[in-house]
Amino acid sequence: ELVLTQSPGTLSLSPGERATLSCRASQSINSHYLAWYQQKPGQAPRLLIYGASSRSTDIPDRFSGSGSGTDFTLTISRVEPEDFAVYHCQHYWNSPPNTFGQGTRLEIK
Amino acid sequence: QITLKESGPTLVKPTQTLTLTCSFSGFSLSTRGVGVGWIRQPPGKALQWLALIYWDDDKHYSPSLKSKLTVTKDTSRNQVVLTVTNMDPIDTATYYCARSPPNCGSGSCYPNTFDMWGQGTMVTVSS
Repeated sequence: ELVLTQSPGTLSLSPGERATLSCRASQSINSHYLAWYQQKPGQAPRLLIYGASSRSTDIPDRFSGSGSGTDFTLTISRVEPEDFAVYHCQHYWNSPPNTFGQGTRLEIK
Repeated sequence: QITLKESGPTLVKPTQTLTLTCSFSGFSLSTRGVGVGWIRQPPGKALQWLALIYWDDDKHYSPSLKSKLTVTKDTSRNQVVLTVTNMDPIDTATYYCARSPPNCGSGSCYPNTFDMWGQGTMVTVSS
């Protein structure tokens, strides 16, 4: 079963700073099948990025995704106060189970 | 507008069977390529993919939980049901259902993300 490892576990930044979150796969995956989700406390996850780099509907352009093979990155160009949350990556390549990473918590410094 | 909502018991005893219903609107599970999945999240922990059922009744389960899980659909009622047998305290979690939108070419359909989620329902396993 493919394993996704996210780093760092917690990222402490101030508003306006750049955030770089990593997701590493235990085997190479087709980049068309890597997604990122944002989850705020008490809420369901929200799809941010699909196909490694395509923003979902109504997602601001400060969010961008990149990567291929086993290494993928979610970047927030300038963190806004509403961006402090937990971010999850997920693969949906090949047959399920389409596992999630363990999450990265973005917290206010 | 697409909505999904989970319903079921909030408290179950160890060894009991949990039955959760996902009721949805704004899309149909008879549409080619559409799926509805179940994901859970223990308190303070990561999301765990559980199961996925497609428009054509193709079903997929987490290998580690396959013996405990059953997913079925009622297309006419716009519902998907997840049953989890032999519940244990480690199954305590918020359970979400989510839509997997179609991703089909002229021939085949391909896996997709979860683009819309229910609010989740917290299930506690305790005697």
